[in-house]
Amino acid sequence: AQKITQTQPGMFVQEKEAVTLDCTYDTSDQSYGLFWYKQPSSGEMIFLIYQGSYDEQNATEGRYSLNFQKARKSANLVISASQLGDSAMYFCAMRGPTGFQKLVFGTGTRLLVSP
Amino acid sequence: NAGVTQTPKFRILKIGQSMTLQCTQDMNHNYMYWYRQDPGMGLKLIYYSVGAGITDKGEVPNGYNVSRSTTEDFPLRLELAAPSQTSVYFCASSYSADMNTEAFFGQGTRLTVV
Repeated sequence: AQKITQTQPGMFVQEKEAVTLDCTYDTSDQSYGLFWYKQPSSGEMIFLIYQGSYDEQNATEGRYSLNFQKARKSANLVISASQLGDSAMYFCAMRGPTGFQKLVFGTGTRLLVSP
Repeated sequence: NAGVTQTPKFRILKIGQSMTLQCTQDMNHNYMYWYRQDPGMGLKLIYYSVGAGITDKGEVPNGYNVSRSTTEDFPLRLELAAPSQTSVYFCASSYSADMNTEAFFGQGTRLTVV
């Protein structure tokens, strides 16, 4: 079975600083995909970034990067130059190579960016 | 672009009532999913579908039913609402079964059962 663990219920960061949101995972699959989603207070789930288990380079999307350490089974999200609009819940998720596709989610980290 | 559209956005039900949460997508995705999000928790899969006419249970299917008569629509039915079904419900879709495919989410339906 797959499992995602996010140990930081809440994080605080000042505007323009970088912040790292932790995510560890557990799976017996050799192939899997890791995702980060943002959920602002309005409630929608917004896809941020994806990392495949066989990708050798860390994924980057604008100010978002994924620090992927396969041996440690961690997939931390790094947000550079935080903005006030980054205040939201952030969910780490993964899916494996099963016959159907579903996302297994962590419990989320609430990020608050202060001026 | 509409993407994944859910209706209604909010609903209050009395115990024992029934309702259908609507979900439609205009991206011609074969794969569709229903999740629930309880307070302070991540999302849990209720049901999913890999194409019109094909549905299967997820992690927490009890108390729910689904149907998939068209590619676009994937309604979720609550037959006898219970307080334990108070939650935020998300519908999602994805283009393929490939691992690097992202899931597109609707805006969510906040349901309260009293």
